[in-house]
Amino acid sequence: GAGVSQSPSNKVTEKGKDVELRCDPISGHTALYWYRQSLGQGLEFLIYFQGNSAPDKSGLPSDRFSAERTGGSVSTLTIQRTQQEDSAVYLCASSLAGEQFFGPGTRLTVL
Amino acid sequence: GIQVEQSPPDLILQEGANSTLRCNFSDSVNNLQWFHQNPWGQLINLFYIPSGTKQNGRLSATTVATERYSLLYISSSQTTDSGVYFCAVKSTGTASKLTFGTGTRLQVTL
Repeated sequence: GAGVSQSPSNKVTEKGKDVELRCDPISGHTALYWYRQSLGQGLEFLIYFQGNSAPDKSGLPSDRFSAERTGGSVSTLTIQRTQQEDSAVYLCASSLAGEQFFGPGTRLTVL
Repeated sequence: GIQVEQSPPDLILQEGANSTLRCNFSDSVNNLQWFHQNPWGQLINLFYIPSGTKQNGRLSATTVATERYSLLYISSSQTTDSGVYFCAVKSTGTASKLTFGTGTRLQVTL
C-alpha cells in the first residue's frame, strides 16, 4: 500500500507568519511521530501520537509549535510566528508495532 | 537521555569494496533501526533489529543488545549505496521516540 505522505514538499514563508504542515500516515498505523532535521541539530523528535492523543510532546521546542491528529489518521503540525531557526526539514513517521516508517518530509524555509 | 554514537562519520569506498558501520548506544533498547537517507532526503528503512542478525541482499546487520552496539555490513558496494546511514534507537524506558545517531556519510566512487 501507500507509504507515509506529507504536504507541502516545500514551504517558503516570511518570518512571523504561521505555517501548517500535513502528514498522512500509512493506513491502519495507530502511532504517528513528528521529527525535524536541521544542520545544527541532526534528527530530533518533536511529538508522538497514539490514536488522537499525544502522550509525549517533550520534543516541541516552544509553545509556538503545536500538533493535532484527527480520526486516528491525518496529523497537522502548526508553527506560529515562524522564526529563522525554524528552518528545517520536518519529517513524519508512522508505526503499528514498533518499526517506524518515514515520509519524504516538508522542507521549511523561513526568510 | 540515551546517547547514540556512529562511526566512522565519513567513509569513502571504491565500488566493489566492503564496509562496516558501527552504532553504539548508552542504555538498553527495545527498538533499533538502520536507515539510508538518499540524496533526496528520504529515509529508507534498512533493518528493524533490536537484537540478533538479519540479512537483505548485500546488506546485513547485527545487534548485540547486551553489549549496546549494532553493526551494519555493506558488501560489494555500489554507487547507489552513497548517502547517509543512520542508526536510531528507542530506549526501553521510553514509550515512543527514536533517538538518532549523527550518521555515517558514505561515498562510493567508481
